[in-house]
Amino acid sequence: DAGVIQSPRHEVTEMGQEVTLRCKPISGHNSLFWYRQTMMRGLELLIYFNNNVPIDDSGMPEDRFSAKMPNASFSTLKIQPSEPRDSAVYFCASQRGEDTGELFFGEGSRLTVL
Amino acid sequence: AQSVTQLGSHVSVSEGALVLLRCNYSSSVPPYLFWYVQYPNQGLQLLLKYTSAATLVKGINGFEAEFKKSETSFHLTKPSAHMSDAAEYFCAVSGGDYKLSFGAGTTVTVRA
Repeated sequence: DAGVIQSPRHEVTEMGQEVTLRCKPISGHNSLFWYRQTMMRGLELLIYFNNNVPIDDSGMPEDRFSAKMPNASFSTLKIQPSEPRDSAVYFCASQRGEDTGELFFGEGSRLTVL
Repeated sequence: AQSVTQLGSHVSVSEGALVLLRCNYSSSVPPYLFWYVQYPNQGLQLLLKYTSAATLVKGINGFEAEFKKSETSFHLTKPSAHMSDAAEYFCAVSGGDYKLSFGAGTTVTVRA
């Protein structure tokens, strides 16, 4: 089976530009997570979807960040406008069920905002 | 609330030597504990998990971890390190819901 697929793998953009990161979870998994990884803050949960519904977005840094999951096989994380402090690796992860803790991570999208 | 503390941000071992990575947890409810591994430029991968069954948990790639409630610990071990074990390792805890709290990570280097 294919794993979690993220795109793009690398994104370099200039401050103020819109960034859209994409994720395709594993088929049959009904929970989806977006995490951000930085040296300073480690792994942070940004948002959690269950059955395509956002359940917890308390980790979204500010209004510049938004996430959608229009169907069970696709999710996006958008940053508009982007800032240099948004530079990080963004991971999408999916899970079968709601609370097993067995997350399957994508390879990440490395974002650099100049 | 749940949290974990990983002792040591970097561990260096010789090939064939014991690998020991330390993790202490704090939880207001019976914890679910996990170890994940991250290889360079990849996402995290589950090594093993503890969910209140056997206190000694065996995972993939020869790793195991022991849950010790009295010490609030969940240390990860492997008897004999291999070069392919070089990676970053994350301990994580949840209260049985979707919220995983990850530690800061421990980078393992293996010397030939």
